[in-house]
Amino acid sequence: RKEVEQDPGPFNVPEGATVAFNCTYSNSASQSFFWYRQDCRKEPKLLMSVYSSGNEDGRFTAQLNRASQYISLLIRDSKLSDSATYLCVVIMVDDKIIFGKGTRLHILP
Amino acid sequence: DAGITQSPRHKVTETGTPVTLRCHQTENHRYMYWYRQDPGHGLRLIHYSYGVKDTDKGEVSDGYSVSRSKTEDFLLTLESATSSQTSVYFCAIRGDTGGELFFGEGSRLTVL
Repeated sequence: RKEVEQDPGPFNVPEGATVAFNCTYSNSASQSFFWYRQDCRKEPKLLMSVYSSGNEDGRFTAQLNRASQYISLLIRDSKLSDSATYLCVVIMVDDKIIFGKGTRLHILP
Repeated sequence: DAGITQSPRHKVTETGTPVTLRCHQTENHRYMYWYRQDPGHGLRLIHYSYGVKDTDKGEVSDGYSVSRSKTEDFLLTLESATSSQTSVYFCAIRGDTGGELFFGEGSRLTVL
């Protein structure tokens, strides 16, 4: 089993819809979790950290489920500008950083 | 935005030539990383540094060397470039207390 897995997509979603995707991790000794956004031919940019209690930033909500070993990202009222690849990042207790390969999201007008 | 810049941003070179990519940060962060990103592989760690003159190998270090003589600069060198090293290279920095990474804009290298 891969250390971090994401559905590669693409997710094709109409503008205004809600979309959610998950990222599963295999090692329970995972310490920190993040979602990054990467636009085509650009660098990854931090979208949000993921906390155990769940956290929200505007239209974006991140959740962590330690029991089932996954994190999720929910995007409400999706905009055309949300089209991007979303990477999950897991940092282990030994400080090893593991990237998922990303989920591609296309918001359709 | 985090103060991190990469140079050159684009480079075309020929097989067998040496290439050096530079990562410069103004954040005084301890940790610096070099990744390559290729279709189907995602981000793969080449080398990283946890302080001046302290570096270690990542998962795809063969054919690459690094140096960090100052906190602000982390250099990635391809001693003899090969076509398989055609890629986009990203530098990243991370604070002393850990946490999230911040990436440079990337260096697009083509080896003919």
